[in-house]
Amino acid sequence: GAVVSQHPSWVICKSGTSVKIECRSLDFQATTMFWYRQFPKQSLMLMATSNEGSKATYEQGVEKDKFLINHASLTLSTLTVTSAHPEDSSFYICSASVSYTFGSGTRLTVV
Amino acid sequence: AQTVTQSQPEMSVQEAETVTLSCTYDTSESDYYLFWYKQPPSRQMILVIRQEAYKQQNATENRFSVNFQKAAKSFSLKISDSQLGDAAMYFCAYGDNAGNMLTFGGGTRLMVKP
Repeated sequence: GAVVSQHPSWVICKSGTSVKIECRSLDFQATTMFWYRQFPKQSLMLMATSNEGSKATYEQGVEKDKFLINHASLTLSTLTVTSAHPEDSSFYICSASVSYTFGSGTRLTVV
Repeated sequence: AQTVTQSQPEMSVQEAETVTLSCTYDTSESDYYLFWYKQPPSRQMILVIRQEAYKQQNATENRFSVNFQKAAKSFSLKISDSQLGDAAMYFCAYGDNAGNMLTFGGGTRLMVKP
C-alpha cells in the first residue's frame, strides 16, 4: 500500500535555529502533499499545500516566510521551520495526495 | 467552506461491547469523501474507513462500519466487539472532490474498559 515516510520523528532545537522536516512517498508519486499542524489535545489544521515544481499554497494565518515548503520531486516534500521560537513547538504531520495516508509525524520542541 | 463536527469529546465502552461515534458535516458539494482516522498515543494517523458520497452502501472494514446519511450530512462510526487496542482519538474528516485536502472534526477520545 501507499507509504509516506516522515523524518525526523522528533527534534529539539534552540530558539532562533532552523529545522527541516522531510516527507517522502515511498512507493508512489505524490504531485501534491499536505502539511498539517496539531497542538496538544486538538485536531489537525492544514498549514499548506505543497505542489511539485511550483510554489506552495499557504492557509490563512500561516507565515510563508517562517514555514518554507519545497517540493522538488514527485516523492519528496520538505517543511523548514525558520528561526524557530518556542511557540512553533508542535506536532507536524504530512499527507500525500490521493493516498489519504499520513507520515508518522514530527514532534518539534523549541527551547 | 466545509465544516466537520464531532459532538462527543469523550466516549467510553466496555471491552467486547459496541460503540458509535458521531460526526456531522456541512458542504454544498454533492461528490466528496468522508473518512474516519484513528490516532493512538503514537500520534500516527491510521485510516480506519472511508466512504464515497456517491455510494449509498455503507462502508465496512471488519469490526468497523459507518452509517452514512447523506441528506442529514451525518457519518457515524460503529465499532463492534471493542478491543483494548481500539482506545485512541478518532477523527472524522471530509475530503474534497479530488479526495485530497482533508478537513477534520475536533476528535473523540475513546476509552475501552476491560
